[in-house]
Amino acid sequence: QSVLTQPPSVSGAPGQRVTISCTGTSSNIGAGYEVLWYQQLPGTAPKLLIYGSINRPSGVPDRFSGSKSGTSASLAITGLQADDEADYYCQSYDSGLSGCWVFGGGTKLTVL
Amino acid sequence: QVQLVQSGAEVKKPGASVKVSCKAAGYTFTTYAMHWVRQAPGQRLEWMGWLNTGNGNTKYSQKFQGRVAITRDTSATTAYIELSSLTSEDTALYYCAREVRYYGSNGYYWDAFDIWGQGTMVTVSS
Repeated sequence: QSVLTQPPSVSGAPGQRVTISCTGTSSNIGAGYEVLWYQQLPGTAPKLLIYGSINRPSGVPDRFSGSKSGTSASLAITGLQADDEADYYCQSYDSGLSGCWVFGGGTKLTVL
Repeated sequence: QVQLVQSGAEVKKPGASVKVSCKAAGYTFTTYAMHWVRQAPGQRLEWMGWLNTGNGNTKYSQKFQGRVAITRDTSATTAYIELSSLTSEDTALYYCAREVRYYGSNGYYWDAFDIWGQGTMVTVSS
């Protein structure tokens, strides 16, 4: 089963901008499937941040933005805040193995 | 209030089966598909399968094919996942997640998991 690759950790000071990458393959992101991003605070369920690679659900601040190019996608967070400290996961659909949803390994964001 | 409420933690012996429930509230249960995702300690999220809550159709990850079953009781607005032949590698937090469809212009749409249950810890230990 193909998976998505994320950096294990990123960090930034309050107010700064950070980006988290998500690298896929020709059977998922590279095949044109869109990317989703989730935020998981400690001890809680994932929360949807981005769908369709670039769209924010109602209620998600515009400090969070997504992009996609080729076989990769990115999540950018501007104006870092202490409560942004969390794990972030990307997700996409994969056409291999009869089709399934796949997730990245998660990126731990530390706000310094 | 739209929410998914899952059943409590389970402890099972290797070789046993477990059934976890996910009760939907605050919306029309049969309008939205339901997914099951698990997360082993320190591991990534892992998609297990999908349920069409309207007609009961299912699709499972090939990894779990043959030992997973996702069902629903529409009168109880509840979805279930049953996993059999448990091993220690099945120790994980199991989540149900509602699938929503967002529509854009020109007929485009995108599916996303917008509401998640609180998770059910399943521990497999002898």
